[in-house]
Amino acid sequence: DGGITQSPKYLFRKEGQNVTLSCEQNLNHDAMYWYRQDPGQGLRLIYYSQIVNDFQKGDIAEGYSVSREKKESFPLTVTSAQKNPTAFYLCASRTDRYQPQHFGDGTRLSIL
Amino acid sequence: QKEVEQDPGPLSVPEGAIVSLNCTYSNSAFQYFMWYRQYSRKGPELLMYTYSSGNKEDGRFTAQVDKSSKYISLFIRDSQPSDSATYLCAMDNYGQNFVFGPGTRLSVLP
Repeated sequence: DGGITQSPKYLFRKEGQNVTLSCEQNLNHDAMYWYRQDPGQGLRLIYYSQIVNDFQKGDIAEGYSVSREKKESFPLTVTSAQKNPTAFYLCASRTDRYQPQHFGDGTRLSIL
Repeated sequence: QKEVEQDPGPLSVPEGAIVSLNCTYSNSAFQYFMWYRQYSRKGPELLMYTYSSGNKEDGRFTAQVDKSSKYISLFIRDSQPSDSATYLCAMDNYGQNFVFGPGTRLSVLP
């Protein structure tokens, strides 16, 4: 089955620690996205990538980093510089800019 | 003014009711419009998308777009308890600016 796989489902971060969230897709989509979802605030764009080895900052990129070394993979690192990382993180992808985005099932990140 | 506004809810209806979910937007550059359904602790699932003003029907769901009024709606007929979820509207101007509404939580009571 084609789809977007996010792992882990739940993640806990200690103070001063960097953590990496995985996003893998087998849909052969060129574009991939990372969003943060907080209660009552909708989805906010962190980073996006239109093509391998290229990515752009979204609205709330501070404290986050990404890489796009392979078409199917777009990992997100939440660094210690992100002071309020507790949220639900969603990865999405799409074929091109004329098509809707499709989402994975998210990773919930909490602070220990 | 926020770029996309959505009825905040929460909304509770009895099983079998017709549900109307609505969003307004301010950017006339948006070219296509989507509705997503999100169950608790899951990612949003694409329900419908449309590129033009007018109605688009898919089973019990109808998406309506009025570009002149900058208003979109999702109608759910014969609502079921399994429709209980948060509904997100979204819109895009071909990759330049993909924006989501904050969501409306719907509960359909048996």
